[in-house]
Amino acid sequence: DVKVTQSSRYLVKRTGEKVFLECVQDMDHENMFWYRQDPGLGLRLIYFSYDVKMKEKGDIPEGYSVSREKKERFSLILESASTNQTSMYLCASSETDRVNEQFFGPGTRLTVL
Amino acid sequence: GEDVEQSLFLSVREGDSSVINCTYTDSSSTYLYWYKQEPGAGLQLLTYIFSNMDMKQDQRLTVLLNKKDKHLSLRIADTQTGDSAIYFCAESRVSGTYKYIFGTGTRLKVLA
Repeated sequence: DVKVTQSSRYLVKRTGEKVFLECVQDMDHENMFWYRQDPGLGLRLIYFSYDVKMKEKGDIPEGYSVSREKKERFSLILESASTNQTSMYLCASSETDRVNEQFFGPGTRLTVL
Repeated sequence: GEDVEQSLFLSVREGDSSVINCTYTDSSSTYLYWYKQEPGAGLQLLTYIFSNMDMKQDQRLTVLLNKKDKHLSLRIADTQTGDSAIYFCAESRVSGTYKYIFGTGTRLKVLA
């Protein structure tokens, strides 16, 4: 059974704090993605990675960075959290194949006070 | 633009059919997907259709693709309370980056 896990389901941080969101997949997928989900806006891609140590900006990378030191782990970093980063964060992974199905973690609901 | 658009809400009675609509913008999209998000969970792939197909049926689900109008729909027959969820359409571009563009999501509420 394929699995994508995220380090926390709920997280509360203060403005200005550095925040780490961790994602781990056990399917040996090459591709990993970080999205944020906001009501009425759907999912917006923050960053993605095709391989270890490789990263590319998505549609809304400002205020975020990522790290992929190992194939199974993709971290999202908020260098200095702000209240407008309060959101649901979803991690996904996919194999490089014809269908390109993405497998999602359960999400981390981050609140920045 | 790159928007994939959906209506935000749909309410149906149990046993009726639900039709969720989506419009997309990129005629070069290779695959179009429907994902389901249940409360408190991540997204899960329901079904997908290749861009050279017009229709795909999978048990209670029927996907219709109108390439001319760039319109995708998902029909759920005999809708059950367990179908209550948010449904996202998504397109995968030909650019080879394996990125998706997601729609805004449609919240389906099934009334008993």
